[in-house]
Amino acid sequence: EPEVTQTPSHQVTQMGQEVILRCVPISNHLYFYWYRQILGQKVEFLVSFYNNEISEKSEIFDDQFSVERPDGSNFTLKIRSTKLEDSAMYFCASRPAGAGTGELFFGEGSRLTVL
Amino acid sequence: GDSVTQMEGPVTLSEEAFLTINCTYTATGYPSLFWYVQYPGEGLQLLLKATKADDKGSNKGFEATYRKETTSFHLEKGSVQVSDSAVYFCALSTSGGSYIPTFGRGTSLIVHP
Repeated sequence: EPEVTQTPSHQVTQMGQEVILRCVPISNHLYFYWYRQILGQKVEFLVSFYNNEISEKSEIFDDQFSVERPDGSNFTLKIRSTKLEDSAMYFCASRPAGAGTGELFFGEGSRLTVL
Repeated sequence: GDSVTQMEGPVTLSEEAFLTINCTYTATGYPSLFWYVQYPGEGLQLLLKATKADDKGSNKGFEATYRKETTSFHLEKGSVQVSDSAVYFCALSTSGGSYIPTFGRGTSLIVHP
């Protein structure tokens, strides 16, 4: 069964460093998403991406963050200058065209620890 | 804005016990409601959904009924198994929110043999 894959599963970085989290969505999906979950808190929406551009973003997704689909398979989240409060689990998700009720397919998550 | 509130965890049960995980929501518009489950080491996956009032979603012995009058979507299972140990997330989506799901914080379920 096709699945969303994310790398790395865990990354430890120093404050101020740049981090890139990678995702390979399901191949025929057209909508891509990043969510994050700070330990013990809600799963929060960051950004959605469709047709090679951002379609929606939350207040969390400020200039520190960017997303890119550099080729036909990868979908990346870049955090330019990490802060302690960026420590969280980051989830990538995708869905096919036409699935308008909100069902997403998620990866296993990338845990980011900022020291 | 839209929000989902779930009961605090962890919920700890013995095998074959009855499970309820409470979920209430606030939404502008008419939401679709979901339960997602995350097993250890895996991503979130859809467990069940309901798209209109009084609909009952069901899967793997789990059920939840869309109650518009109480703005609730409580998850239930009559007899849990050790393999049901996971984190359960309640979520909603609306057309006004571009169908982007809004999640709760998740409720951890631990089932002992």
